[in-house]
Amino acid sequence: GAVVSQHPSWVICKSGTSVKIECRSLDFQATTMFWYRQFPKQSLMLMATSNEGSKATYEQGVEKDKFLINHASLTLSTLTVTSAHPEDSSFYICSARGGTSGEQYFGPGTRLTVT
Amino acid sequence: AQKITQTQPGMFVQEKEAVTLDCTYDTSDQSYGLFWYKQPSSGEMIFLIYQGSYDEQNATEGRYSLNFQKARKSANLVISASQLGDSAMYFCAMREGTQGGSEKLVFGKGMKLTVNP
Repeated sequence: GAVVSQHPSWVICKSGTSVKIECRSLDFQATTMFWYRQFPKQSLMLMATSNEGSKATYEQGVEKDKFLINHASLTLSTLTVTSAHPEDSSFYICSARGGTSGEQYFGPGTRLTVT
Repeated sequence: AQKITQTQPGMFVQEKEAVTLDCTYDTSDQSYGLFWYKQPSSGEMIFLIYQGSYDEQNATEGRYSLNFQKARKSANLVISASQLGDSAMYFCAMREGTQGGSEKLVFGKGMKLTVNP
């Protein structure tokens, strides 16, 4: 149990375009989902926390107008990188909190390359 | 101030030997949780072990054990009988506050473990 999926697993897009990443909890309801970014050989940095049905809480320094987060249901959160630039190229990982233990379960990540 | 410190950038260990991965943390909270995750080259974050600040016993999960020294604020991961598949990045993380409150995880910089045959 406690499986989290992400789609797509990797994506290449052109500079200036937008790309949407989906995070789904497959076998539990996730009241809270988290979005992280990881640059090569670095640690995970929390970008934002999203709660179902409410606005996401962004970490300091993360542009909320650039990284749009929608937590439309208890099993789905989406991250949209708008007007992507090469410096947005990174590994984006989501996690979902839920189930009986309330622990965080991580998705497999999405590798974004902006050309 | 850095909340999670992992000072070892990389370690090498022979297969079947035990290895200790260091982690120190900084918090003023009385209630917190400590986690270790493994990240293979595929990128997936794999949960290994959890230690609550009020847990009196050191956590163990199979070949993984957590050497929790509260006074020293350290939470070292011990992997017994290393296997080739243990080669990966390892991250120590902390959640401050009680479960159901602040759920944010703060990660250390990670360290790379290489298991040699």
